[in-house]
Amino acid sequence: AQSVTQLGSHVSVSEGALVLLRCNYSSSVPPYLFWYVQYPNQGLQLLLKYTSAATLVKGINGFEAEFKKSETSFHLTKPSAHMSDAAEYFCAVSEGGFGNEKLTFGTGTRLTIIP
Amino acid sequence: DTAVSQTPKYLVTQMGNDKSIKCEQNLGHDTMYWYKQDSKKFLKIMFSYNNKELIINETVPNRFSPKSPDKAHLNLHINSLELGDSAVYFCASSQDGVVTDTQYFGPGTRLTVL
Repeated sequence: AQSVTQLGSHVSVSEGALVLLRCNYSSSVPPYLFWYVQYPNQGLQLLLKYTSAATLVKGINGFEAEFKKSETSFHLTKPSAHMSDAAEYFCAVSEGGFGNEKLTFGTGTRLTIIP
Repeated sequence: DTAVSQTPKYLVTQMGNDKSIKCEQNLGHDTMYWYKQDSKKFLKIMFSYNNKELIINETVPNRFSPKSPDKAHLNLHINSLELGDSAVYFCASSQDGVVTDTQYFGPGTRLTVL
């Protein structure tokens, strides 16, 4: 089974600083990887996904992630943090066939922005 | 117009009771899911349905019974509620249920069992 590991359950950055949230995957086949964001008391929203096209994936709200096979990583970055970025971020890997896809999530990283 | 909606948003009940959570999606998707998020924010898939057919059942106790009356609805009925069932339950949907699909999540139902 495929899995993802998120390093750091809590990350704090100053407003305007670089955001880096780490995700490493474990998979015996080329993985399909996702980053989702969860704002307080809300459902999850897709930030971006890697589906074996370009290794640098751009998402919403200025986030991007780079798929690095040699490092089995898919870290999420944003050049300049905004207060509105404070949320829980989940990395996930997708597996399965037609009609039976399932997402396996990491344990999440809570991002706090310091004014 | 909400894409994936769930009712109720909050559910507080006593141990041993039976309760249901409803989910509807207006995206025209073929696949729907139930996820459980525990108190540590860990998300785990419970079930998935494709075109009203059960596809994934992740070793969930049989006290949990999903029902899909049509492609747009996936309800979750829970019998004999236990303290450990307290969690946030999320419904989601995707177009075809393939590995590259984006899943769209509902706002969640926070279940508290006393």
